[in-house]
Amino acid sequence: NAGVMQNPRHLVRRRGQEARLRCSPVKGHSHVYWYRQLPEEGLKFMVYLQKENIIDESGMPKERFSAEFPKEGPSILRIQQVVRGDSAAYFCASSDSQGNTEAFFGQGTRLTVV
Amino acid sequence: LAKTTQPISMDSYEGQEVNITCSHNNIATNDYITWYQQFPSQGPRFIIQGYKTKVTNEVASLFIPADRKSSTLSLPRVSLSDTAVYYCLVGPYSSNTGKLIFGQGTTLQVKP
Repeated sequence: NAGVMQNPRHLVRRRGQEARLRCSPVKGHSHVYWYRQLPEEGLKFMVYLQKENIIDESGMPKERFSAEFPKEGPSILRIQQVVRGDSAAYFCASSDSQGNTEAFFGQGTRLTVV
Repeated sequence: LAKTTQPISMDSYEGQEVNITCSHNNIATNDYITWYQQFPSQGPRFIIQGYKTKVTNEVASLFIPADRKSSTLSLPRVSLSDTAVYYCLVGPYSSNTGKLIFGQGTTLQVKP
């Protein structure tokens, strides 16, 4: 997957805890996208970030979810007070800023809320 | 972004050619057609992209008729490892290349 690294690969949280999902984009990529995939469904866009800026968060739930892509370090998707319905695979993708038309995806983080 | 329709599932046998058709009746003038492949427990992987006529790479071919209201992904001589979900996506591509609208995709099952 051309270098998009996500960790952890698997994350188990109890209801009410916080989940932090990390994504390191392909080296040199400044655009990061987060997706959620529920079982037996396609991926749903959540948020699009560039360094230090949220560009499009139209797919993010209004509460408990936040995302950041700091100047240094990975992008973080944070889910506060998790509920069972948050159980899903969360994928991160990155692309460059040069008009390249391909987005590279990571292997995902599988969140299980118990 | 244009809505796409593709079969939910398909079965094939090793060595056969597989053609997956996607309908996108509302495709816009500046839209491209892109196909992604997703294996279980993996992120999607770009396969091929086209605008019109035919595009071929080392993995697949993409056929797009003149009206662009549909497209066909062709996988030559599939193997068991081609078992995956295949997504057809339609949208304009600029610097915002990662905001993609995925449908349910086509689950391809290749049998020995």
